[in-house]
Amino acid sequence: NAGVTQTPKFRVLKTGQSMTLLCAQDMNHEYMYWYRQDPGMGLRLIHYSVGEGTTAKGEVPDGYNVSRLKKQNFLLGLESAAPSQTSVYFCASSYRDRGNQPQHFGDGTRLSIL
Amino acid sequence: DQQVKQNSPSLSVQEGRISILNCDYTNSMFDYFLWYKKYPAEGPTFLISISSIKDKNEDGRFTVFLNKSAKHLSLHIVPSQPGDSAVYFCAVGDSGGSNYKLTFGKGTLLTVNP
Repeated sequence: NAGVTQTPKFRVLKTGQSMTLLCAQDMNHEYMYWYRQDPGMGLRLIHYSVGEGTTAKGEVPDGYNVSRLKKQNFLLGLESAAPSQTSVYFCASSYRDRGNQPQHFGDGTRLSIL
Repeated sequence: DQQVKQNSPSLSVQEGRISILNCDYTNSMFDYFLWYKKYPAEGPTFLISISSIKDKNEDGRFTVFLNKSAKHLSLHIVPSQPGDSAVYFCAVGDSGGSNYKLTFGKGTLLTVNP
């Protein structure tokens, strides 16, 4: 029972490099989210998707792009990595129904930009 | 400005005693409230939730209380166990909004001492 799987778990990049973080969920959830967690800052929403083919900006979208080509996958891209993007990135997913529908999280990707 | 505040960055209690974690929010439109627990190097895990039509929800050792007039919620853990040591995030949502998003507090580190 995998739930939400994030790939890779760790990565070190140089400033200016690009990379894509992959999130996959096997719970048939409609909604998917990308967060970043920084010390003392809690979880901040980067981008989210309410269904296949749709994306929307969250609280801190600058410097990131996303795509949701398949319902089960949500990709987060960094086109030109900056040291300020050093963080732990979490993906989450949830059902679409309103009400008490919690988000389910992956175990995170630890990204360092040198 | 922070919409969700967890004013205690850390809390230390003795095993067997009660742990009380607090959370304040500013927007009266929020109607769905959750607590997540996070261990190091893992993603947040959903713990318990409450909707605005209730003032209390209980699940085993965990109880969440909601005071809508004060815009305050709390999580009680009784009795506390060493395995409860983790960071606890409160999260709030507006199920009447056009998209389902959560806003997280910065977290409280709970340490339960044997």
